[in-house]
Amino acid sequence: RKEVEQDPGPFNVPEGATVAFNCTYSNSASQSFFWYRQDCRKEPKLLMSVYSSGNEDGRFTAQLNRASQYISLLIRDSKLSDSATYLCVVNRPRTGNQFYFGTGTSLTVIP
Amino acid sequence: NAGVTQTPKFRVLKTGQSMTLLCAQDMNHEYMYWYRQDPGMGLRLIHYSVGEGTTAKGEVPDGYNVSRLKKQNFLLGLESAAPSQTSVYFCASSYPFLYTGELFFGEGSRLTVL
Repeated sequence: RKEVEQDPGPFNVPEGATVAFNCTYSNSASQSFFWYRQDCRKEPKLLMSVYSSGNEDGRFTAQLNRASQYISLLIRDSKLSDSATYLCVVNRPRTGNQFYFGTGTSLTVIP
Repeated sequence: NAGVTQTPKFRVLKTGQSMTLLCAQDMNHEYMYWYRQDPGMGLRLIHYSVGEGTTAKGEVPDGYNVSRLKKQNFLLGLESAAPSQTSVYFCASSYPFLYTGELFFGEGSRLTVL
């Protein structure tokens, strides 16, 4: 079983739409959770960390459910510039601080 | 502020040739990583290092070797390249603290093995 599983999409949404991405992780020892963004042919960059209480950064809201081993990302009022691949990432510090990546969910925001 | 720098950015090899990818970071990070990214597979960890002079195997280490002689540099070597090693390679670095997540990535190195 993969460490991190995501729906690959693609998600094609109109500008202004709200879109949600989901992710599950298999190892309950995972301690830290993140969403990274990767533009075409570029390196991944941290979008936001995900906390148990849920957290928001502008139009982006991340949620974590440790009991279900489930992570989500909600994007409100989508912009053309949000078009990218979104990577779900988990971290287990006690295994050499290894990070485990999902395969990514592709988002295209359409004018 | 350079961050994480990878060289070369592009390379074409013939089967059986060898090469080394260099990763350099100027953020004084303890931890460094080499990943490969293939379509539909996501990023997979090849090798990583938790400090100068140390290395460890990741998820897909076969066919690769690494060295971390200096804290700021992490080298990835292919001794005898194979077409299956055609991929985009990313180097990353991070602080060792618990609960901090930011991996800083280089721009990637695109390798084609013919």
